[in-house]
Amino acid sequence: AQKITQTQPGMFVQEKEAVTLDCTYDTSDPSYGLFWYKQPSSGEMIFLIYQGSYDQQNATEGRYSLNFQKARKSANLVISASQLGDSAMYFCAMRVSSGYALNFGKGTSLLVTP
Amino acid sequence: DAGVIQSPRHEVTEMGQEVTLRCKPISGHDYLFWYRQTMMRGLELLIYFNNNVPIDDSGMPEDRFSAKMPNASFSTLKIQPSEPRDSAVYFCASSLIWRASYEQYFGPGTRLTVT
Repeated sequence: AQKITQTQPGMFVQEKEAVTLDCTYDTSDPSYGLFWYKQPSSGEMIFLIYQGSYDQQNATEGRYSLNFQKARKSANLVISASQLGDSAMYFCAMRVSSGYALNFGKGTSLLVTP
Repeated sequence: DAGVIQSPRHEVTEMGQEVTLRCKPISGHDYLFWYRQTMMRGLELLIYFNNNVPIDDSGMPEDRFSAKMPNASFSTLKIQPSEPRDSAVYFCASSLIWRASYEQYFGPGTRLTVT
């Protein structure tokens, strides 16, 4: 079975600071993909970043980077230079090679303060 | 290019009524997914289609739920009869298989309230 765990229900960060949101996963499939999505208060799900299990380098997309530690089965999201607009729920998700659906974690609520 | 379109955005109905949620995926995408989000259960997959064919419906909670995709640009999720515990946000998402990441693009969701 595939499982995604996000242990931080809520996080605070000051504007312009960096923040790390934790995500651990469990799968026996050697081929998988890890995703982060952002859900602001308006409710839509916004794709942020993707990391493949065979990718040699950590993924980066603008201010978002994924700290992928395969041996530890962790895929933490790092947001640099936080902005007030980053306040939202953040979901980690996994897809395994045997399927195409995403398995989501419970999410972490991030609040960026001035 | 337009994103995933869902309608209605909000639906309030009484227990026992039929509810139909609609989704138009991104043009050219060959996978379509229906998810449900609740506070208790989080985001969970209901069903997904590949080239209009249902592939995995193991997440559909009961026979009261049914989904169809009559063509590449339209899908419906129907609940008949609806119950209060069906109250949730229902998301439709689509993706393109040839992209290595297969990231899914979500619609804005339909917030369903069953009284």
